[in-house]
Amino acid sequence: KAGVTQTPRYLIKTRGQQVTLSCSPISGHRSVSWYQQTPGQGLQFLFEYFSETQRNKGNFPGRFSGRQFSNSRSEMNVSTLELGDSALYLCASSFPGTSGATYTDTQYFGPGTRLTVL
Amino acid sequence: AQKVTQAQTEISVVEKEDVTLDCVYETRDTTYYLFWYKQPPSGELVFLIRRNSFDEQNEISGRYSWNFQKSTSSFNFTITASQVVDSAVYFCALSEDRTGGFKTIFGAGTRLFVKA
Repeated sequence: KAGVTQTPRYLIKTRGQQVTLSCSPISGHRSVSWYQQTPGQGLQFLFEYFSETQRNKGNFPGRFSGRQFSNSRSEMNVSTLELGDSALYLCASSFPGTSGATYTDTQYFGPGTRLTVL
Repeated sequence: AQKVTQAQTEISVVEKEDVTLDCVYETRDTTYYLFWYKQPPSGELVFLIRRNSFDEQNEISGRYSWNFQKSTSSFNFTITASQVVDSAVYFCALSEDRTGGFKTIFGAGTRLFVKA
């Protein structure tokens, strides 16, 4: 079974631009979470989607947004990029139990998209 | 407040040595899950082990073992007979139930160097 895929793997943008990152979960997984990883802040939770609905959101400004499609693929968008947005963005998917994805589920991570903002 | 602390920033061992990675967590929930992930230089987090808050039985899985103690809020991870391929950053994570979903908090990570 194919793992979580993320595109693109590397991206260079300039301040003020916007960017869209894509994540395709493992087949059958309906929950997708996004994380930002930086040397200074470590791994921080951005948001989680399940069945096209955002269920939880981390402490990030409104410039960070996302969505999930009916096939469970997810995108995250960052508008008006700042230098501090340079990071590795990781996507994770999990297979939900009968009541939907919960804290009990193991998350499987993609390779990440490394975003550099100049 | 929910928090995961990995006090060891870097550990360096020689191949075949045993190494224990420490993890201390804080939560007000009584039901939660704990995880260990490995991040090799390629960047992808690889799931290693998980444990729920009601099961303090410690287990061994191959060269991996873990010691979960609720009384001290610790979830330590041990690699026996370390190998060079074990060199990576290891993350401890706490996952809690939240209305309609869940939230996962990661520790800062411990970088493990295994020298041949």
